[in-house]
Amino acid sequence: SAVISQKPSRDICQRGTSLTIQCQVDSQVTMMFWYRQQPGQSLTLIATANQGSEATYESGFVIDKFPISRPNLTFSTLTVSNMSPEDSSIYLCSVDGGFQETQYFGPGTRLLVL
Amino acid sequence: GNSVTQMEGPVTLSEEAFLTINCTYTATGYPSLFWYVQYPGEGLQLLLKATKADDKGSNKGFEATYRKETTSFHLEKGSVQVSDSAVYFCAGGRTSYDKVIFGPGTSLSVIP
Repeated sequence: SAVISQKPSRDICQRGTSLTIQCQVDSQVTMMFWYRQQPGQSLTLIATANQGSEATYESGFVIDKFPISRPNLTFSTLTVSNMSPEDSSIYLCSVDGGFQETQYFGPGTRLLVL
Repeated sequence: GNSVTQMEGPVTLSEEAFLTINCTYTATGYPSLFWYVQYPGEGLQLLLKATKADDKGSNKGFEATYRKETTSFHLEKGSVQVSDSAVYFCAGGRTSYDKVIFGPGTSLSVIP
């Protein structure tokens, strides 16, 4: 199984600022995913990041708000731009498990926007 | 589109009680099905999975069987412990290269 780390693990930010979240995996993977978990809610996919191509965003999420980078096969970043209190959530990175048919999730980044 | 329906909580049980959390998945084809658990203040952990019909996933005393005819994947445990208090998410996905569709989550509290 893949071991995934995320930085920062948590942060408190002021509205109008931006935060970049890093996701590092200990092996090369094809697909990386970014999910959001709003307080008391389930997880929703923000976008899928494939190395060497633009990220693919789900309905309701746009690149200007959540720009994503995927510079290599073990790393990705998600930026939450121009934050508002509604962006307060846990942001989780996951990676494909290959033919095991299981995605592996990182520990998440807990974001509070004041 | 694809969706996951699961029993809404919160659920409160006494220690050693029997647990069932219902889950059904609506999709074209037959996806892999998962149960994830999120303990208070922690990240998401895969609890168990099943990749095809009639598969039974099991872990830590929890079990779930993939029922093809109803695309159901109900989570069961014969005797819950206080340490099982967490939020449980049913989820499904075609392959690990596709997005995972999560249910709304069921919060479980086990009291001594």
